Amino acid sequence: DAGVTQSPTHLIKTRGQQVTLRCSPKSGHDTVSWYQQALGQGPQFIFQYYEEEERQRGNFPDRFSGHQFPNYSSELNVNALLLGDSALYLCASSLVAGTNYGYTFGSGTRLTVV
Amino acid sequence: AQSVTQLDSHVSVSEGTPVLLRCNYSSSYSPSLFWYVQHPNKGLQLLLKYTSAATLVKGINGFEAEFKKSETSFHLTKPSAHMSDAAEYFCVVSEGTGNQFYFGTGTSLTVIP
Repeated sequence: DAGVTQSPTHLIKTRGQQVTLRCSPKSGHDTVSWYQQALGQGPQFIFQYYEEEERQRGNFPDRFSGHQFPNYSSELNVNALLLGDSALYLCASSLVAGTNYGYTFGSGTRLTVV
Repeated sequence: AQSVTQLDSHVSVSEGTPVLLRCNYSSSYSPSLFWYVQHPNKGLQLLLKYTSAATLVKGINGFEAEFKKSETSFHLTKPSAHMSDAAEYFCVVSEGTGNQFYFGTGTSLTVIP
């Protein structure tokens, strides 16, 4: 049973560029959440997608956007990259009715902005 | 508003001795509480969860945690540390179905042989 799959695993981008990160949720899950984990910090909530719509959003600028596809997979897009966007980006999936039972996290995409 | 405070950024124990990782939370409603573990270059793995059932929660790999509402605490314990327990541990609070998770800043556990 595949868990949450994220791609790519590592990425290096230049300031000002745009990046797209991808996530396939665990089989049977319908909700995808994205988190940013800066070095030495706990993950911070970016947003959550359910039924192809953004349902909740954390304190992140509009440069961060996302999408959910009919097969529940999701993308995270970041425009106009800043050095401070360098972080581990984690995707988490769940059943919307069961998020209080915990998420399943992927291994993340390590983004480095130079 | 929800928040989590992990009281120790680093904990070091000898192999075979007890582990105690401390967590205090703030929540306006009845929270769901979790402990996750993160090994280097790995994703987050759920250790255990509290969702308003029994206050003493047992998780994987011998870990357990006790929900104490009066103290707003959810400390993680293990009777005997193993080398493989060395990792980063995160305490997490959520206010129910569909709501975002709020993570603490993490506690790095070192196990000394």
